[in-house]
Amino acid sequence: AQSVTQLGSHVSVSEGALVLLRCNYSSSVPPYLFWYVQYPNQGLQLLLKYTTGATLVKGINGFEAEFKKSETSFHLTKPSAHMSDAAEYFCAVRTFSNTGNQFYFGTGTSLTVIP
Amino acid sequence: DTGVSQNPRHKITKRGQNVTFRCDPISEHNRLYWYRQTLGQGPEFLTYFQNEAQLEKSRLLSDRFSAERPKGSFSTLEIQRTEQGDSAMYLCASSEKGRHNTEAFFGQGTRLTVV
Repeated sequence: AQSVTQLGSHVSVSEGALVLLRCNYSSSVPPYLFWYVQYPNQGLQLLLKYTTGATLVKGINGFEAEFKKSETSFHLTKPSAHMSDAAEYFCAVRTFSNTGNQFYFGTGTSLTVIP
Repeated sequence: DTGVSQNPRHKITKRGQNVTFRCDPISEHNRLYWYRQTLGQGPEFLTYFQNEAQLEKSRLLSDRFSAERPKGSFSTLEIQRTEQGDSAMYLCASSEKGRHNTEAFFGQGTRLTVV
């Protein structure tokens, strides 16, 4: 079975500070991992993804994430927060297996950026 | 083609009424997903189509819910005899077939309010 845990439903950082949003997953097969961002009353926009290869992946808006198999983690970081980063962030796992072909999402982390 | 399109964006209905939502995926995408998102939660999988075939259905999809994708292009999600618990954002997503096309692209959602 696949699942995603996002630690911290709310994270607040000062503008210019490091952003760290945590994601741990469980998967019975090698996963594909994603981070999506959602602004109020909008759909989800892909920030970045890990499929295979390099474990440090870079995405849009200066975000990056590192896949750590030994820790089953895929934490999202950004060196310097901007006011426009305030949004809801979702980590997701996708597996291709006989049991399914869907995305499993975490419960989300709401990021607040303090001026 | 500018992305996944969902209509209507907002729907208010009285309890017991039927509602239907439409999703137009990105034109070359043959996979289509429906998700439900309630306040403070991540998207929950409802169902998945590959072309016109409905390949997966969640246990969340009670017998009051039905989804179709008759020609493998647009899809509809119908909820019969709506209940207040059906109030949520209904998200549609699409993706291309193949392991190299791993991410899903989301529409802006249809927000359903049952009064």
